[in-house]
Amino acid sequence: DVKVTQSSRYLVKRTGEKVFLECVQDMDHENMFWYRQDPGLGLRLIYFSYDVKMKEKGDIPEGYSVSREKKERFSLILESASTNQTSMYLCASSSPGLAGRTDTQYFGPGTRLTVL
Amino acid sequence: AQKITQTQPGMFVQEKEAVTLDCTYDTSDPSYGLFWYKQPSSGEMIFLIYQGSYDQQNATEGRYSLNFQKARKSANLVISASQLGDSAMYFCAILNSNSGYALNFGKGTSLLVTP
Repeated sequence: DVKVTQSSRYLVKRTGEKVFLECVQDMDHENMFWYRQDPGLGLRLIYFSYDVKMKEKGDIPEGYSVSREKKERFSLILESASTNQTSMYLCASSSPGLAGRTDTQYFGPGTRLTVL
Repeated sequence: AQKITQTQPGMFVQEKEAVTLDCTYDTSDPSYGLFWYKQPSSGEMIFLIYQGSYDQQNATEGRYSLNFQKARKSANLVISASQLGDSAMYFCAILNSNSGYALNFGKGTSLLVTP
């Protein structure tokens, strides 16, 4: 079974803090993704990575950065947390395919981040 | 750009009945993949079923099946014999070839299964 884990289920931080969200997958997947989920807005892509040390911006990268030093680990960094970054953060991984079933993304349990 | 539309914000179904959750999509890719995920209140996104645009048959996975109508650009999820544990949010998604094959999600449908 594919397993994607995230470092915290719930996190409370203060405005201005630097926040690290960690994601680890155990299926040797090349692709990893960070989404945020907000009521009424659905899931939106923040960043993705298709290889170690490679990263690409998604739809809403502002205020975030990422790090992928090892294939199995993809970290999301909030450089200076703000209240509008209070959200559910979901990490996912997949193998690269050709728009096929192998592109199925497997998600971690999510991190509910609250910024006060 | 790829886009998913789910027009049903909420649905009710009685236990043991079948229910159809609607999904329409828009894409200019000649080849694409469609996915359905379930998100219970715990928050985790659970993969349910996949349909490829060139698959000859509609996908099925246990009690889940996909009513795929390519010409109409619809990929409706059918859940047969609903169970109380099926109560959750359901998301339709399409692969985004412009973003490393990330997923573009619809807004979701909240399904409540009643006894």
